[in-house]
Amino acid sequence: AQSVAQPEDQVNVAEGNPLTVKCTYSVSGNPYLFWYVQYPNRGLQFLLKYITGDNLVKGSYGFEAEFNKSQTSFHLKKPSALVSDSALYFCAVRGAFTGGGNKLTFGTGTQLKVEL
Amino acid sequence: GAVVSQHPSWVICKSGTSVKIECRSLDFQATTMFWYRQFPKQSLMLMATSNEGSKATYEQGVEKDKFLINHASLTLSTLTVTSAHPEDSSFYICSARSTAGLAYEQYFGPGTRLTVT
Repeated sequence: AQSVAQPEDQVNVAEGNPLTVKCTYSVSGNPYLFWYVQYPNRGLQFLLKYITGDNLVKGSYGFEAEFNKSQTSFHLKKPSALVSDSALYFCAVRGAFTGGGNKLTFGTGTQLKVEL
Repeated sequence: GAVVSQHPSWVICKSGTSVKIECRSLDFQATTMFWYRQFPKQSLMLMATSNEGSKATYEQGVEKDKFLINHASLTLSTLTVTSAHPEDSSFYICSARSTAGLAYEQYFGPGTRLTVT
């Protein structure tokens, strides 16, 4: 069974400082990895994905993530955090094999709080 | 592009009544739609996968007679919570996979907040 671990329930960072939100995964075969952001009482907004190719993936709003196969990790990063980045962040994984029934598995989420 | 809408965005209903939530893909056709449930400060839990024109596939532990899913067209799926109880209060999010897009792409709706009193 596939799974995602987000070890930190909350990450606090000062505005202007770099941020990292951690994610590790377990899946059979090659992974498809995703990061989503959720603001209060809203659905999920797509940030970025890793499918294949370069291990460093750049996404929306200045976010990036690095795929590390040996460590089975896909940490989300941003060089300079903004207060407006404060939100709930979800990492998700699915297997790369084809099939309409393949499902996304989400981590438990990490609340990011950026303070002035 | 790839916009998914949900209606209503929030609903309050009395215990014992039924409530229907609509999920629409506005600018694409979706063969497959997913329904998730999210409790406060928790992750999204997949409830069921619906394919247009066929019966939904429910995840283990989800009561199919309580959470009725209909995917009658390529742009609309509905979730009906029957005989709702306070424990059904939750945030329900749908997601759609495009018929024309890549198999791994899913687009999420804004969610529906259900409160059962």
